[in-house]
Formats: sequence, structure tokens, C-alpha cells
Amino acid sequence: QVQLVQSGAEVREPGASVKVSCKASGYTFITYDINWVRQASGQGLEWVGRVNPNSGDTNHAQKFRGRVTLTRDTSITTAYLELSSLTSEDSAVYYCARGRNYFDPWGQGTLVTVSS
Amino acid sequence: DIQMTQSPSTLSASVGDGVTITCRASQSISTWVAWYQQKPGKAPKLLISKASSLQSGVPSRFSGSGSGTEFTLTISSLQPDDVATYYCQYYNTYPFTFGPGTKVDI
Repeated sequence: QVQLVQSGAEVREPGASVKVSCKASGYTFITYDINWVRQASGQGLEWVGRVNPNSGDTNHAQKFRGRVTLTRDTSITTAYLELSSLTSEDSAVYYCARGRNYFDPWGQGTLVTVSS
Repeated sequence: DIQMTQSPSTLSASVGDGVTITCRASQSISTWVAWYQQKPGKAPKLLISKASSLQSGVPSRFSGSGSGTEFTLTISSLQPDDVATYYCQYYNTYPFTFGPGTKVDI
């Protein structure tokens, strides 16, 4: 079955970077975009960006410009989200999700906590 | 950017009731809307794509409609398992955007 499995929870200090992975299985990795969506505690969903695993092309929300790097390694069917210059406002659960437009399925989520 | 709004923000109904959630877009977006269900502590689950296309395995009591700027998600007969927060999503051009969510309880 199609599955996205994400890396474990991370704790970072303000100003640091974090890299989250998303391992895909059960389908041909290069045929679907991987999107990243985050959710702060008790809040709604916020689209971060996407990577096309075939071409490596990326798009991201304007608010993350200059801080987000979306990559993939097709040899191990894994996508990555790296976010730099972290602040407390980046504390959230980060989800990866498959799809060029709507998202299905989603990974289990990775909690990123930014705290000194 | 396309802004999505939802109403109501919370909704309480009885088992067996029909409930409707409305999602509005800041400009016309054809039928480029998906609906998700999120239960506490879980990842969202896709229910409907392209405004009205029910995903495989989703109970038929869920339905979606609308086009342009106004969209609705309807649960025809609310069940205890439907307690969740529901989000609409715009997709077609970047950035994709979500509505703020509607919390449904019994």
C-alpha cells in the first residue's frame, strides 16, 4: 500500500536548522509530487511547499522564502524538508503528503519544537 | 493568493442529523477544491477532490458540491466517527491554501 513514513521528533534552539525526511513506498516515487504542510498546536493547516521528485523542481509559500529547502533522493525514494533560522513560530507538526494538487496519503507527521 | 474561509468554525449536532459546512474562496476557482477530515492527533485524510468527487472508501454520507467561489461539504447523517475537524483546500496554482477548519462534534 502507498505509505509515507517520516523521521522522528526534533528539538532545536532558535536560529538553528532542521531537516525532516519522508520515505515513500508502495508506488513509483517520481510520478507524484511531495508536498509539505505544517500545523502549529491547536491551529490549522499551512502549505509550506512541494518538490517534484522527477525533476527536482520546487515551489514554496512566500513566507518561507530564503529559509526552506526542499530536496529528494530518488535512489531511496525519500523527500526532505529543511528549514533554517528557526523561531518559536516554526514549532509545529510537519506533514509530508503525496499529490500534484490534492494530497493523499499523508505521512504521520514530525513534531518540530523550537525552544531555548 | 487565493484565500479560503469556512463557516461555521464549530458545529455541534446530534447523531443522525444532516450537517453542512461552507467554504468560500476569495475569487473564482472553478472546482479546484478538496476536503479533508482530521481527527485529533492524526494526519488529515482526503475525503473529496474536485469539489464533488468522493474518494474510494469514504462513506457515501459525505458529499461535496459547488463551483466558483462557494463550496459545501455535507454529511447526510452524522455518525459518532465523524467527530473531527474538516478543512477545505484550494489547489490549481501555487500557493495552495487551506480554510481555517470547522470542528464538528456531537
